[in-house]
Amino acid sequence: QQQVKQSPQSLIVQKGGIPIINCAYENTAFDYFPWYQQFPGKGPALLIAIRPDVSEKKEGRFTISFNKSAKQFSLHIMDSQPGDSATYFCAASIHPGGSEKLVFGKGTKLTVNP
Amino acid sequence: DTGVSQDPRHKITKRGQNVTFRCDPISEHNRLYWYRQTLGQGPEFLTYFQNEAQLEKSRLLSDRFSAERPKGSFSTLEIQRTEQGDSAMYLCASSFSAGGTQETQYFGPGTRLLVL
Repeated sequence: QQQVKQSPQSLIVQKGGIPIINCAYENTAFDYFPWYQQFPGKGPALLIAIRPDVSEKKEGRFTISFNKSAKQFSLHIMDSQPGDSATYFCAASIHPGGSEKLVFGKGTKLTVNP
Repeated sequence: DTGVSQDPRHKITKRGQNVTFRCDPISEHNRLYWYRQTLGQGPEFLTYFQNEAQLEKSRLLSDRFSAERPKGSFSTLEIQRTEQGDSAMYLCASSFSAGGTQETQYFGPGTRLLVL
């Protein structure tokens, strides 16, 4: 059972474009929603994270929008650059809640063309 | 380098052999996680340690898998009698939790296992 659904599977934008990646979750107990960036051959690295008590969080060029009633959240990358080309994963966890293990989406492969 | 390290980075083995992976977490981190990532998928949780205690195991962790974290420092993940379906990237992550605050999980570079 996939608890976090992510779309699209892949995304191609031109430099300066604003790619948007969407995630939806099922478990209403989730209360921590991070986004990770992964380059080939590397482990995932945290980009930005949000809790359900806010509807939007911005860090640099990365913005998370959160819709608690719809159980959806999305990542926007402003002024995208070729260096942003990577695979992006949304995730969710329950906190506090024991292990606080992360449940990941399947990932979105982003390509930013120069 | 003070990040999470994993060894080896790559492992090729024949079906039926045993393999062991090592993870060295960030030194002050008391939590350690193992995840498995197959091609085109997100990481999936395998198991979790709080200090030296293994507190949760996923159903994905069959009897052929065992993990330890002696003395609450480094951790090992052993797979016995490997199968081709075990081929994946095995990721280790660590975090520090003092209770009450969600702490970031920092991932290592992973060990890529190929079972022939």
